[in-house]
Amino acid sequence: DIQMTQSPSSLSGSVGDRVTITCRASQGISNYVAWYQQKPGKVPKLLIYATSTLQSGVPSRFSGSGAGTDFTLTITSLQPEDVATYYCQKYNSGPHTFGQGTKLEIK
Amino acid sequence: EVQLVESGGALVQPGGSLRLSCAASGFTFSTYAMAWVRQAPGKGLEWVSSITGSGYSTYYADSVMGRFTISRDNSKSTLYLQMNSLRSEDTAVYFCSSGDFVGLSDSWGQGSLVTVSS
Repeated sequence: DIQMTQSPSSLSGSVGDRVTITCRASQGISNYVAWYQQKPGKVPKLLIYATSTLQSGVPSRFSGSGAGTDFTLTITSLQPEDVATYYCQKYNSGPHTFGQGTKLEIK
Repeated sequence: EVQLVESGGALVQPGGSLRLSCAASGFTFSTYAMAWVRQAPGKGLEWVSSITGSGYSTYYADSVMGRFTISRDNSKSTLYLQMNSLRSEDTAVYFCSSGDFVGLSDSWGQGSLVTVSS
């Protein structure tokens, strides 16, 4: 099975910072990668699918990129409301594995 | 508005069985793939199982293969997860989700807590 490895497992940034989270697949998965945001005590929310397509209503400071095995979620100007855990997921074929998550905090 | 409402979570003994349901509304249920995703206390998201809109194709995580069965009744707009031979490590909040591509979760329910303990 294809594994999804996220890094870092946690990070902190200041308001206005650019932050990047990386997800690496153990094999090529084309562009079938999604990113989710889960705020503390809340239900997960889809941010990005097909590597770089922003879900409706998601702020434009979020973006995704990558191809093959290496994928990235970028927040261009970190805001206090972005405090959350972020997960990548592969969905090209089963199993539809999630990464282990990246906890993002504000300094 | 898409609504997904899970039910059936409970405290169950190891080795026991439980069936979760997810009632869907606000969209054409039969045209959407559905999935179950779980989250153990203080842990990350774990994909459990997915099913295509027709119900023809199903997918399972290795950790539940042979013990859990996903199914759907499109006439009732309801998704199910039959869980057998439950273990303590199955303790989690189970989320139901929908998506226009199998495996993708663009809408989520609020979750249903399953506790496996003696």
